[in-house]
Amino acid sequence: KNEVEQSPQNLTAQEGEFITINCSYSVGISALHWLQQHPGGGIVSLFMLSSGKKKHGRLIATINIQEKHSSLHITASHPRDSAVYICAVSFITQGGSEKLVFGKGTKLTVNP
Amino acid sequence: DAGITQSPRHKVTETGTPVTLRCHQTENHRYMYWYRQDPGHGLRLIHYSYGVKDTDKGEVSDGYSVSRSKTEDFLLTLESATSSQTSVYFCAISEFYVSGNTIYFGEGSWLTVV
Repeated sequence: KNEVEQSPQNLTAQEGEFITINCSYSVGISALHWLQQHPGGGIVSLFMLSSGKKKHGRLIATINIQEKHSSLHITASHPRDSAVYICAVSFITQGGSEKLVFGKGTKLTVNP
Repeated sequence: DAGITQSPRHKVTETGTPVTLRCHQTENHRYMYWYRQDPGHGLRLIHYSYGVKDTDKGEVSDGYSVSRSKTEDFLLTLESATSSQTSVYFCAISEFYVSGNTIYFGEGSWLTVV
């Protein structure tokens, strides 16, 4: 069974601060996703990673396959970054189908 | 934006009544999922499908059934709704490629069982 642990569960920051959210998982994966959910809103995919690092604007995602760990960084945080960030991993079951397992999410609040 | 829609978006129903939620996609993705999201639990998998007529249970499947008779539609049915099934339900679609896999979510269906 693949477990996904995120930390912290809740995070409050001041505008402009550098933010890091962590995700650890327990078994081999085919890909890791970082998702964003604004209050009352839908869920959108920010990144899909299978190795290395990706950057999009102020968001940076990294993954260390050997350590089974990923981080999501937000530089120069802004109140509009306030959302729940969810880590999800996809892996292939013994039967050959894909499964997705989600972390419980990190609620980020950025104060002006 | 990916072509994935859920219906209904909001529903209030009485305990004991059957309820069906529909997820429709236009992306021709093989994998479709139903999740529920509750405070303190995050997203929990109810059922998923890896092809037409191919479905499997997730971690919270009791009280739910699904059907997928064609690629584009994945139906979630609550045979006899209970108050514990009050939740937000999300459908997701996914596909594998050599470069990785994509995942898209529907906008959610808010279900209240009274």
